[in-house]
Amino acid sequence: KAGVTQTPRYLIKTRGQQVTLSCSPISGHRSVSWYQQTPGQGLQFLFEYFSETQRNKGNFPGRFSGRQFSNSRSEMNVSTLELGDSALYLCASRPGTSGSYEQYFGPGTRLTVT
Amino acid sequence: GESVGLHLPTLSVQEGDNSIINCAYSNSASDYFIWYKQESGKGPQFIIDIRSNMDKRQGQRVTVLLNKTVKHLSLQIAATQPGDSAVYFCAESYDYKLSFGAGTTVTVRA
Repeated sequence: KAGVTQTPRYLIKTRGQQVTLSCSPISGHRSVSWYQQTPGQGLQFLFEYFSETQRNKGNFPGRFSGRQFSNSRSEMNVSTLELGDSALYLCASRPGTSGSYEQYFGPGTRLTVT
Repeated sequence: GESVGLHLPTLSVQEGDNSIINCAYSNSASDYFIWYKQESGKGPQFIIDIRSNMDKRQGQRVTVLLNKTVKHLSLQIAATQPGDSAVYFCAESYDYKLSFGAGTTVTVRA
């Protein structure tokens, strides 16, 4: 099976712009979660989507949003970028059925905001 | 709040020795714990997990121990190899939300 893929792998944006990141989960996985990883804050949970619905949300401002499509692919959007949004954004997929917590991470998208 | 922390930010281990990485968690309601390994330029890779109704679980060369009394989690790696050099994260899950610790960087000395 192909693993979790994320596009693009690297991105440079300027403050005030918006960005959309994409994640394709492992085939058959219905849950996609997004995380932000920074040296200072570590890995922080952004949100989880399951069957096109947001099932869980972390403590991030409304500038961070996401969605999931019927084929389970997911996108996350960050509007009005700030310098502090520079980070590695990781998505992870899992089957999503009860009793299954194991997540598989993609390689991440490295976002740099200048 | 809910947080997971590792006791040591770095660990240097001689090749062939056993490694022990420790983690303290704060949410007594967490029902699932996972160890991840992250190599440079890659996303975290699942190593092993344990449910809150267990106190020990073994995998290939790895063992996870859970002590709910003191809210402590550890990862033991047997016969550490150069390929084990990475950052190791523990994570706790509550209501399907994962909270990660800060990570321990393990360096294997030849």
